[in-house]
Amino acid sequence: KNEVEQSPQNLTAQEGEFITINCSYSVGISALHWLQQHPGGGIVSLFMLSSGKKKHGRLIATINIQEKHSSLHITASHPRDSAVYICAVPGVKAGGNEKLTFGTGTRLTIIP
Amino acid sequence: DAGVIQSPRHEVTEMGQEVTLRCKPISGHDYLFWYRQTMMRGLELLIYFNNNVPIDDSGMPEDRFSAKMPNASFSTLKIQPSEPRDSAVYFCASSRLKSPLHFGNGTRLTVT
Repeated sequence: KNEVEQSPQNLTAQEGEFITINCSYSVGISALHWLQQHPGGGIVSLFMLSSGKKKHGRLIATINIQEKHSSLHITASHPRDSAVYICAVPGVKAGGNEKLTFGTGTRLTIIP
Repeated sequence: DAGVIQSPRHEVTEMGQEVTLRCKPISGHDYLFWYRQTMMRGLELLIYFNNNVPIDDSGMPEDRFSAKMPNASFSTLKIQPSEPRDSAVYFCASSRLKSPLHFGNGTRLTVT
């Protein structure tokens, strides 16, 4: 089973700050997922990436396959970014989504 | 695209009762996943289907849990008999091969 570690567990920042959330995993993978879970409970897939960097609006996800590490960055953070951010990786033999192992999540709070 | 639809949103039942959770995946998605989320264990995969066929049910906690997918547009997760420790939020998600997951809004189950 792939072990997933996220850091920090909790993060509080002022509006406008640059945010970085980290994810490390133990076994090589085909793709890594970043998910967002809002206080209401719904889960949204932010990124699925297998190499390099992806950007969507103010969110940027990077992955270093050799170092088994991914980061999620938020630029110009806003209170509506307050949520739990979850990293997930598939099982060793899986193609993409099968048998995902989830990190424990990073609870982000942005203060106005 | 209506997204993944789960019902009910909330379910409160007494120990020993049968509980059935329902999920309608996004049309055209050939993978369907059932997850359980608790404070203690986070998100866990229970079972997943590919083209309506159960592929891996190793995450199903015990024989009290069963899942079916009679056709491409409907799946159920059944717990019989239910126990207080089954209280959790149950998510259904669907996807295409090697594509991002789309989650339903979840069913919050409380077993008293």
